[in-house]
Amino acid sequence: SQTIHQWPATLVQPVGSPLSLECTVEGTSNPNLYWYRQAAGRGLQLLFYSVGIGQISSEVPQNLSASRPQDRQFILSSKKLLLSDSGFYLCAYRGSYNSPLHFGNGTRLTVT
Amino acid sequence: AQRVTQPEKLLSVFKGAPVELKCNYSYSGSPELFWYVQYSRQRLQLLLRHISRESIKGFTADLNKGETSFHLKKPFAQEEDSAMYYCALRVYNFNKFYFGSGTKLNVKP
Repeated sequence: SQTIHQWPATLVQPVGSPLSLECTVEGTSNPNLYWYRQAAGRGLQLLFYSVGIGQISSEVPQNLSASRPQDRQFILSSKKLLLSDSGFYLCAYRGSYNSPLHFGNGTRLTVT
Repeated sequence: AQRVTQPEKLLSVFKGAPVELKCNYSYSGSPELFWYVQYSRQRLQLLLRHISRESIKGFTADLNKGETSFHLKKPFAQEEDSAMYYCALRVYNFNKFYFGSGTKLNVKP
């Protein structure tokens, strides 16, 4: 069966520090991978998506970047966090063309 | 541009009452619409999709292309339906899913 793992669950980081959030998928090959940010009252904002290794599309300009070093691994990064980067980050995958999105449990990031 | 609008941030109904969560979309192509639900302390999960034309947990949603709507309905709300509901649009030939801002449904006893 297909599963998605996302970690850490919570993270508190000081302003200016780097960030690395990791997401891995099991049970499927060549999934489409996504990073969303969930903000209260603003819904889910699509940040990045990837259709294959090394292929990253960015939806909005921001302080964050994404990478896909392996087929089922998706990483969200920042070199220097800003206060405005605080939020709830969700990783999601789609196993095949007609599949819906499946979400991970999310990471609550607090930048202090 | 593609956009999904959920006009209600919060919807409160009594148990047994009908419920309708509104969703409107704007997209010039052929859309695929979904409803996702997030129960307290659980991950976001798919509730239903328009191409399946099925009822899940008593909920139904019909795609109305004329009104560009995909409202979620249930004739008799239950307390366990209390959750956050998101409407989502998938853009065909692309790999993007756009979500609305969500509606929190509160079913009172």
